[in-house]
Amino acid sequence: DAKTTQPPSMDCAEGRAANLPCNHSTISGNEYVYWYRQIHSQGPQYIIHGLKNNETNEMASLIITEDRKSSTLILPHATLRDTAVYYCIVRVVTGTASKLTFGTGTRLQVTL
Amino acid sequence: ETGVTQTPRHLVMGMTNKKSLKCEQHLGHNAMYWYKQSAKKPLELMFVYNFKEQTENNSVPSRFSPECPNSSHLFLHLHTLQPEDSALYLCASSQDPRGVGTDTQYFGPGTRLTVL
Repeated sequence: DAKTTQPPSMDCAEGRAANLPCNHSTISGNEYVYWYRQIHSQGPQYIIHGLKNNETNEMASLIITEDRKSSTLILPHATLRDTAVYYCIVRVVTGTASKLTFGTGTRLQVTL
Repeated sequence: ETGVTQTPRHLVMGMTNKKSLKCEQHLGHNAMYWYKQSAKKPLELMFVYNFKEQTENNSVPSRFSPECPNSSHLFLHLHTLQPEDSALYLCASSQDPRGVGTDTQYFGPGTRLTVL
């Protein structure tokens, strides 16, 4: 079962920051938060991940609350190419493997 | 480009055909995965291979038969499929899924399968 909750859809004007929220209230201490996105009919694209500190890379920033029960993915200057479904995932480690359980994600629509 | 390639990109097959999907990763990873994404549904994990050994079979019907001859190649052999098996089949790879630290999966572009 997915361990995250995301809004089903969001809109953002091109050039503005897109802030995508995610709740993961049952996250364990050693579980990472991952973000992927999927542009229509393509494979999911890795964006960023984090444990407890805020993270930034060339694509986005990830803000994780101090209690780690929620996080926000920030696309600082959204473009039309950022229109996609964004997945927030908690990576669960079992005995022999780890799993990424994808939920339904947030469909971000960037408009002119 | 993610370093994970899949062929073919599109496949149409009848229910009595036998076909295979191929995945190759150029990232030096040790683990490979098959996912299925049906229309308007989340990705579903099908199989996991780690160091060529199958470590996960997510109750997948036997008409789907995976093969991992080495850490760089993964196949999905298909036979007597049903129309409801039509979906996007995605391959991914990662360094080592057993670790409790980070282990990022990188996905291929997928094979769009249509079963008639």
